[in-house]
Amino acid sequence: QKEVEQDPGPLSVPEGAIVSLNCTYSNSAFQYFMWYRQYSRKGPELLMYTYSSGNKEDGRFTAQVDKSSKYISLFIRDSQPSDSATYLCAMSEQGGKLIFGQGTELSVKP
Amino acid sequence: DGGITQSPKYLFRKEGQNVTLSCEQNLNHDAMYWYRQDPGQGLRLIYYSQIVNDFQKGDIAEGYSVSREKKESFPLTVTSAQKNPTAFYLCASSALSNQPQHFGDGTRLSIL
Repeated sequence: QKEVEQDPGPLSVPEGAIVSLNCTYSNSAFQYFMWYRQYSRKGPELLMYTYSSGNKEDGRFTAQVDKSSKYISLFIRDSQPSDSATYLCAMSEQGGKLIFGQGTELSVKP
Repeated sequence: DGGITQSPKYLFRKEGQNVTLSCEQNLNHDAMYWYRQDPGQGLRLIYYSQIVNDFQKGDIAEGYSVSREKKESFPLTVTSAQKNPTAFYLCASSALSNQPQHFGDGTRLSIL
C-alpha cells in the first residue's frame, strides 16, 4: 500500500463547477500538507501549505486537512479553463521527506 | 526574479554516455532536491542535500550521482548504469527541510 493515495483521474468538469480533489494517507505522523499545481511540461507550483488539521482558504482555493480520517482535500470554486492542470498532494513528517501523491489530471471545459 | 533554473530543457543520451543536468537557485535556500517524474506516477526522490558539501540518497539513487559544492548549485549526473533514464527530471529547493519546496521547470531526458 502506498503511503499517499490520490485518484489519478482524469477529471473533466464544466467551467464554473466546484472541484474536489482528494488524497488519503496511511502515516499518522504526517504534519505538513501541501497542494501543487503542474501545467503540462512545467514544474509543480505551490498552491496551498497547511500545518496539522483544519481549513485554509486562498481566493477560489480551499484546503482541508482531517487528520483523524487521514484525508486531505482541495476545493476549487468557480473553476476556470486556466485551472486545467495536474494537481499533486504532498505531505511530510517533522524533519522527514516530502511524499507525493500520483497527481490528478483536471480539465475544465469552457 | 528569484527562482530555480534547470537546463537544458530537453536532453538526449546515447548508450553508455553520462549526462549532467544543471540546477541553479537564487533563493538562498539551504536544501535542494532532485526528483524523477514518470507518466502516471508521482515524484520520486533521487537525491537531496540539506547543506553545502553534504547530500543523501533518496528512494531511487541507483545510476545517479550529485555534487553540492556551492549553495546555489546542485547538478545531477545520469550515469550509464541507469538503464531506464527516460523521464522528466525536476529540481527543487526549500529554505529548511520542512518548508514548502519550490520547483524548476524540469529537464526532459530521452534516449537516442
